[in-house]
Amino acid sequence: GENVEQHPSTLSVQEGDSAVIKCTYSDSASNYFPWYKQELGKRPQLIIDIRSNVGEKKDQRIAVTLNKTAKHFSLHITETQPEDSAVYFCAASVGGSEKLVFGKGTKLTVNP
Amino acid sequence: ETGVTQSPTHLIKTRGQQVTLRCSSQSGHNTVSWYQQALGQGPQFIFQYYREEENGRGNFPPRFSGLQFPNYSSELNVNALELDDSALYLCASRQTGADEQYFGPGTRLTVT
Repeated sequence: GENVEQHPSTLSVQEGDSAVIKCTYSDSASNYFPWYKQELGKRPQLIIDIRSNVGEKKDQRIAVTLNKTAKHFSLHITETQPEDSAVYFCAASVGGSEKLVFGKGTKLTVNP
Repeated sequence: ETGVTQSPTHLIKTRGQQVTLRCSSQSGHNTVSWYQQALGQGPQFIFQYYREEENGRGNFPPRFSGLQFPNYSSELNVNALELDDSALYLCASRQTGADEQYFGPGTRLTVT
């Protein structure tokens, strides 16, 4: 079945450093790849997304890259701040549907 | 915030009981999806409703059922509760034709 692998499960960086989270997906028909940030006790919040016809997208300090051939996409956060600390989830659409399959999450800690 | 609300916030039920969780989507968001998020895991797709009809389902048994109403509200019903049903239940709404899904704050269900 459809599967999304996410690495690493935990990531600790110093404030100002960059953070990279990587995901791979199994369904070659996936065409939509969102990233969500979830703070403790709160709802997942959409922070950036990318569609399969685009290789890279950037929004201020956050960027996402997509390699369709390798079925691999990554989240890049530059100039990290303590408020970036949260659990980040990648997801991939299943085939041409709106169903999303999520990775298991990465707990990012930004140390001041 | 997203404008998606859920009730109740927390709920404690006994094994074998039935539960109904509610979600109110943003106006104009005709598609609602329900997810189960176990502790330390990513959200898992339960099912999706579009214009009051179920049009996609994940690997959940029939005792998980739903309803969607014309006023952008929806329900998730779970019968014969099991201990493993303890989780955060999230609804996410989406505007027709758009990919972005916006989550509600969730209902924390505990089954004892």
